[in-house]
Amino acid sequence: AQSVTQLGSHVSVSEGALVLLRCNYSSSVPPYLFWYVQYPNQGLQLLLKYTTGATLVKGINGFEAEFKKSETSFHLTKPSAHMSDAAEYFCAVSDSGANSKLTFGKGITLSVRP
Amino acid sequence: NAGVTQTPKFQVLKTGQSMTLQCAQDMNHNSMYWYRQDPGMGLRLIYYSASEGTTDKGEVPNGYNVSRLNKREFSLRLESAAPSQTSVYFCASSVQANTIYFGEGSWLTVV
Repeated sequence: AQSVTQLGSHVSVSEGALVLLRCNYSSSVPPYLFWYVQYPNQGLQLLLKYTTGATLVKGINGFEAEFKKSETSFHLTKPSAHMSDAAEYFCAVSDSGANSKLTFGKGITLSVRP
Repeated sequence: NAGVTQTPKFQVLKTGQSMTLQCAQDMNHNSMYWYRQDPGMGLRLIYYSASEGTTDKGEVPNGYNVSRLNKREFSLRLESAAPSQTSVYFCASSVQANTIYFGEGSWLTVV
């Protein structure tokens, strides 16, 4: 079985500060890893994903994440936060099987202070 | 390009009533999913369908039924709604699990 741990439920940063959202996963097979963002009253939008290859993955809106197998982590970062980054962020894991499914973490709410 | 479309967007039900959430995708995806989202719980998989004609239980299937009507449509039915089913429901589709596309959500309140 796969699982995702997102420690904490809320992160607050100042505009222009570094954003770091942590994600650790558990998987018995090589994982596919995802970060999704959800703005209020909307569906989930894919930020970035790791399947195979380069372990540093760049996504939309200036976000990136690094797959670290030894640490079973896939933390999301952005060098400089913008007010529009305020949203809920979900890390998710799946495998590469034909009938694989996404397992989500509980989500982290990011607030950005002026 | 509509992507994943789900209806209705908002619904209030009385305990014991039944209803069906409809979902359709126009991306020719084989796999479709129903998730529920509750505060502090993330998204939990209710049912999924790997292909037309097949459905499987997810993490929280009790109280729900699904129908994969054809490749495009995947409906979720609540036969006898309970207050514990008050939630936001998301339909999604994918080519396997490599990138899942979500609908806009359906807000359901059971009173």
